[in-house]
Amino acid sequence: DIVMTQFPDSLAVSLGERATINCKSSQTVLYSSNNKNYLAWYQQKPGQPPKLLIYWASSRESEVPDRFSGSGSETDFTLTISSLQAEDVAVYYCQQYRNIPYNFGQGTKLEIK
Amino acid sequence: QVQLQESGPGLVKPSQTLSLTCSVSGASISSGSYYWTWIRQPPGKEPEWIGHIFTRGRTDYRSSLKSRVAISMYTSKNQFSLRLTSVTAADSAVYYCARMGCSTSDCYIRDGFAVWGQGTMVTVSS
Repeated sequence: DIVMTQFPDSLAVSLGERATINCKSSQTVLYSSNNKNYLAWYQQKPGQPPKLLIYWASSRESEVPDRFSGSGSETDFTLTISSLQAEDVAVYYCQQYRNIPYNFGQGTKLEIK
Repeated sequence: QVQLQESGPGLVKPSQTLSLTCSVSGASISSGSYYWTWIRQPPGKEPEWIGHIFTRGRTDYRSSLKSRVAISMYTSKNQFSLRLTSVTAADSAVYYCARMGCSTSDCYIRDGFAVWGQGTMVTVSS
């Protein structure tokens, strides 16, 4: 199984500042045949299901604000929120969907400093 | 707009079978190429992928659950279901149904879980 590890576990950032969350997979999630990284990022607020933000490591889901961006390849990935807003307080998860089982990271809790 | 809704008992006794249904509206479960998926999330923990059923009926499951789990599709009702046998307290979680989109008919090119149900809490307790 591909194990997903996020860091940090929690993060406090001031409003308007940049937030960066990292995710590492135990194996590559890149398909060399199509050059796509099968890596997604989700945002989860209390009492709600996860919301897809980013897929293929860097493609933003429709209607997701452009302050959210994803980068990285193979085993190392980053989610960046360029200018933190109050509504961005949530837990963020990375997830690989290259190989079954499609495992999630343990989550990063993002708070306002 | 596609919507998913989970339904089923909120309390299941140990050793019994957990059965949940996901009702799909706004799209036909038998059209297109999608992975119709069950995911669970114990309180305070990360989501855990349980398994999925492809539009054309093929299933895949997490290996640690494979002996206890079955996902089925009911096209006439536009629903898919989860059965988990011999449950223990470790199976207590919020259970979500979700849909993963595919850009190719064999789902070789696929993206994330863009559509989720609201989730249903299942507690295993006597």
